[in-house]
Amino acid sequence: SQQGEEDPQALSIQEGENATMNCSYKTSINNLQWYRQNSGRGLVHLILIRSNEREKHSGRLRVTLDTSKKSSSLLITASRAADTASYFCATDAPREGTALIFGKGTTLSVSS
Amino acid sequence: AAGVIQSPRHLIKEKRETATLKCYPIPRHDTVYWYQQGPGQDPQFLISFYEKMQSDKGSIPDRFSAQQFSDYHSELNMSSLELGDSALYFCASSLGPFGTGELFFGEGSRLTVL
Repeated sequence: SQQGEEDPQALSIQEGENATMNCSYKTSINNLQWYRQNSGRGLVHLILIRSNEREKHSGRLRVTLDTSKKSSSLLITASRAADTASYFCATDAPREGTALIFGKGTTLSVSS
Repeated sequence: AAGVIQSPRHLIKEKRETATLKCYPIPRHDTVYWYQQGPGQDPQFLISFYEKMQSDKGSIPDRFSAQQFSDYHSELNMSSLELGDSALYFCASSLGPFGTGELFFGEGSRLTVL
């Protein structure tokens, strides 16, 4: 069953603008991760936030986690054309040793 | 740095045929995961192995089987292929059973069933 749902499904912005993507999930988690996928390519890990963290930064990325609302957001600041890709949130299940479950993803298009 | 290697990268099969995908994890990674991604879809978890034992099972059809070998590489065997099996199949690896960090993905094997 689907663990994560992402919003919006598609986002088009201009270079230099910020992009915000949201993710909601259903069950309790140990951590939440964000991955990026260029068309037809493998997924690349961006950032991991643990359930006891509320915010995390990595370069131009800022991730927030609200466990009470079971939601997370990914903010990409000062976007570039090279940021064009699909972005997925992924959550583990409560039980250790289980695999990541991915949300439906947001397709980001950054035009120059 | 060495990454996850998948082969073949592209595969075309007829309905009812069989296919085998291979995955070579990053050296010293002991956990392997298989995901299936249909066109425009999110990756769906199929199955995972930790230290050569199945560690978790997702939406893997009964027609599919997988295993992890002593050198930690893994193979996904698919039989009685159906049109709906056409997808990108990703392998990912990690160090230790999941819960400790990120997954490293290969570039995928694109299966087309005609």
